[in-house]
Amino acid sequence: GIQVEQSPPDLILQEGANSTLRCNFSDSVNNLQWFHQNPWGQLINLFYIPSGTKQNGRLSATTVATERYSLLYISSSQTTDSGVYFCASPSSGSARQLTFGSGTQLTVLP
Amino acid sequence: GAGVSQSPSNKVTEKGKDVELRCDPISGHTALYWYRQSLGQGLEFLIYFQGNSAPDKSGLPSDRFSAERTGGSVSTLTIQRTQQEDSAVYLCASSLPRRDKNIQYFGAGTRLSVL
Repeated sequence: GIQVEQSPPDLILQEGANSTLRCNFSDSVNNLQWFHQNPWGQLINLFYIPSGTKQNGRLSATTVATERYSLLYISSSQTTDSGVYFCASPSSGSARQLTFGSGTQLTVLP
Repeated sequence: GAGVSQSPSNKVTEKGKDVELRCDPISGHTALYWYRQSLGQGLEFLIYFQGNSAPDKSGLPSDRFSAERTGGSVSTLTIQRTQQEDSAVYLCASSLPRRDKNIQYFGAGTRLSVL
């Protein structure tokens, strides 16, 4: 099945800073999703982005499927952005279940 | 509308006891998934239900784990003879798969502690 690598594993920012999180895949991806896991453990959907670029407020994401990577941009970070960010993709072309990366732990300091 | 609902939110049990975890998917979603999140193992797939098809059980770690989905809606994950290594957060997700699109939505999880 597909391997998903996320970087960096940890990131500490001052409030107001920008950041880029990266997800690399070992195989072609589809149905790629980005999630934010808040301090209470809830996985919040951020983006469904199998290709191209999407923006939602201060967050945007870009997936380059042919090069097997996706990027999540956070601009003007706030303390409420803290938590773990995961990317995930189906484990194979025909699979429905998601394979997750190990996550990026983001801490935004006031 | 309501999201994916899981109960209980927390469960503490003694080693060797059986536990049942419940998931109520988003209304109309035909697909339901169970995942497990444990320290050092990340998020792992356990089992997947799609409509009336036979479930994909390929992620279940042992025969102590089983799940059923009644009436195509609510699902119960059962762990028999719990072990300490079963301690984890069990997450349920649901989706309405389309040919080229399948967005999964997650519940808040059940935190299981086996003493």
